[in-house]
Amino acid sequence: DQQVKQNSPSLSVQEGRISILNCDYTNSMFDYFLWYKKYPAEGPTFLISISSIKDKNEDGRFTVFLNKSAKHLSLHIVPSQPGDSAVYFCAAGSGNTGKLIFGQGTTLQVKP
Amino acid sequence: EAGVAQSPRYKIIEKRQSVAFWCNPISGHATLYWYQQILGQGPKLLIQFQNNGVVDDSQLPKDRFSAERLKGVDSTLKIQPAKLEDSAVYLCASSLDGWVTEAFFGQGTRLTVV
Repeated sequence: DQQVKQNSPSLSVQEGRISILNCDYTNSMFDYFLWYKKYPAEGPTFLISISSIKDKNEDGRFTVFLNKSAKHLSLHIVPSQPGDSAVYFCAAGSGNTGKLIFGQGTTLQVKP
Repeated sequence: EAGVAQSPRYKIIEKRQSVAFWCNPISGHATLYWYQQILGQGPKLLIQFQNNGVVDDSQLPKDRFSAERLKGVDSTLKIQPAKLEDSAVYLCASSLDGWVTEAFFGQGTRLTVV
């Protein structure tokens, strides 16, 4: 059972435009959500997170939106840069378990 | 601050052989994770330690995989015997405490079983 789903395997955008990556989850117990970025031959690196008590968190060019009723979160990158080209994973967890469940990933390509 | 260290970076073995991976988490991090990432998929949690105790190993194929965390610091993950479908990147991560928060990943070990 895939509790965290990223239904778009890939996304291509032009430099300077907005990139929107989507993630859906099924477990209503999840209360903390994260986005990770991964370059080839490297481990995932933390990008941004959001708690279920919020619906938006912003960090520079990166904004994460959470819609709890729809069990959906999204990552917006504005403006997109070629260096943002990577695989993006969303992850979710609940309370004091510390357990993190990852989605399948979306490969973002930002064209110059 | 030193990151999560993993070794080896690459390993090629024949099926039915055994292999071991090593992980040194960030100093002071109580939680340690082992993930398996098969090509084209997201990381799948194999086992989670809190200090030297196992919190979750529900996805660990216990007939062939084993893991331990020595004195609540370093950890080893072993596969014996390996199968072709074990070919994947094995990622170790650590986080500060038992609450769900950002985990820091090592570079991973790429295992190829032939």
